Amino acid sequence: EDKVVQSPLSLVVHEGDTVTLNCSYEVTNFRSLLWYKQEKKAPTFLFMLTSSGIEKKSGRLSSILDKKELFSILNITATQTGDSAVYLCAVEATGNQFYFGTGTSLTVIP
Amino acid sequence: NAGVTQTPKFQVLKTGQSMTLQCAQDMNHNSMYWYRQDPGMGLRLIYYSASEGTTDKGEVPNGYNVSRLNKREFSLRLESAAPSQTSVYFCASSASRVSQHFGDGTRLSIL
Repeated sequence: EDKVVQSPLSLVVHEGDTVTLNCSYEVTNFRSLLWYKQEKKAPTFLFMLTSSGIEKKSGRLSSILDKKELFSILNITATQTGDSAVYLCAVEATGNQFYFGTGTSLTVIP
Repeated sequence: NAGVTQTPKFQVLKTGQSMTLQCAQDMNHNSMYWYRQDPGMGLRLIYYSASEGTTDKGEVPNGYNVSRLNKREFSLRLESAAPSQTSVYFCASSASRVSQHFGDGTRLSIL
């Protein structure tokens, strides 16, 4: 059975801390791994990763994929209250199938 | 600057009633998707449409039907609503091999 597992389920940090969110997967016919940020409504896209070992970076956020060990991490440095959200990991398989993890809820305290 | 538009935003139904959730995108995307999001379950794919005129089942299709009316519109129908279908429903669209764009969701309660 294809599955995506995220950890931790929730996290509370103080502003300025660095956090690492984890995503492991068991999905046949892997095509890509995606990270989304979900605040109150629609998930918004952060990164798409297809190759191992190549870091994707956007401001204080970065992500990397390990296709051998079947996991990805999302790092957020110097966290701000605006980073509070649920972070979703998804794996795309061939045939337009997408499998989502349950998400990590991040709360950043001022 | 609409992106993906879902209607309605909220709906309450009684068990056994039918309902169609509407989704439209203005980005000329080929692929469209319907998900449901439940606490502790994450987003689960109900149906998807890779192109106009085609639809395929996702992970949890039972109790739902879909119609890809044209390239812009992809509707989700509940023929006989059940309390287990209480959820937040998201529609998404994507071009080939790029990320999905999501609508704001429809919060559906079935009593």
